[in-house]
Amino acid sequence: EAGVVQSPRYKIIEKKQPVAFWCNPISGHNTLYWYLQNLGQGPELLIRYENEEAVDDSQLPKDRFSAERLKGVDSTLKIQPAELGDSAVYLCASSPGLRVRTDTQYFGPGTRLTVL
Amino acid sequence: GQQVMQIPQYQHVQEGEDFTTYCNSSTTLSNIQWYKQRPGGHPVFLIQLVKSGEVKKQKRLTFQFGEAKKNSSLHITATQTTDVGTYFCVGGGSNYKLTFGKGTLLTVNP
Repeated sequence: EAGVVQSPRYKIIEKKQPVAFWCNPISGHNTLYWYLQNLGQGPELLIRYENEEAVDDSQLPKDRFSAERLKGVDSTLKIQPAELGDSAVYLCASSPGLRVRTDTQYFGPGTRLTVL
Repeated sequence: GQQVMQIPQYQHVQEGEDFTTYCNSSTTLSNIQWYKQRPGGHPVFLIQLVKSGEVKKQKRLTFQFGEAKKNSSLHITATQTTDVGTYFCVGGGSNYKLTFGKGTLLTVNP
């Protein structure tokens, strides 16, 4: 079974440029998460989807960040414009969504973003 | 909001020594999960605890969930170099909120 796929793995951009990350969850997983992880810190939830619905986006900085999961499968996370402080690893995770409170999360390898 | 504190932030041990990391939540949890992240890798699920006072073991790893469902611990007996990494607890709240602790980075001197 294929795991969570993310691309690109690495991205270097200049500040004020836009950037987009893509995630393909494990087949059949209804719940998809985007996290931000700074060096030496734990992942911080940005947004959680149940199918195509964003059920928790309270931590998403909506002035510059946006996300979509149009068909309830893969998802994109966008930053426009990027700032220096956005440099981090962006992790995508998925879970079956059958038992929302206790589902195991399966993480992708992440996208390491560097903003110059 | 829900906060999950994890201590210590770092732990360096000699191979063969034991290791424990502790997790405390500001609110009662519905469950707690533990993940391990190797250097340069992504978090990988270890275990989930749901019941008050629950204890689970995986070989040299012992996981506990407190009676009040507000704290948890992970204990590794006789550490090995393969145990190196950051261990995260993730608190599951009653409102489906999942909150990661900041993690404990374990390094093992062979």
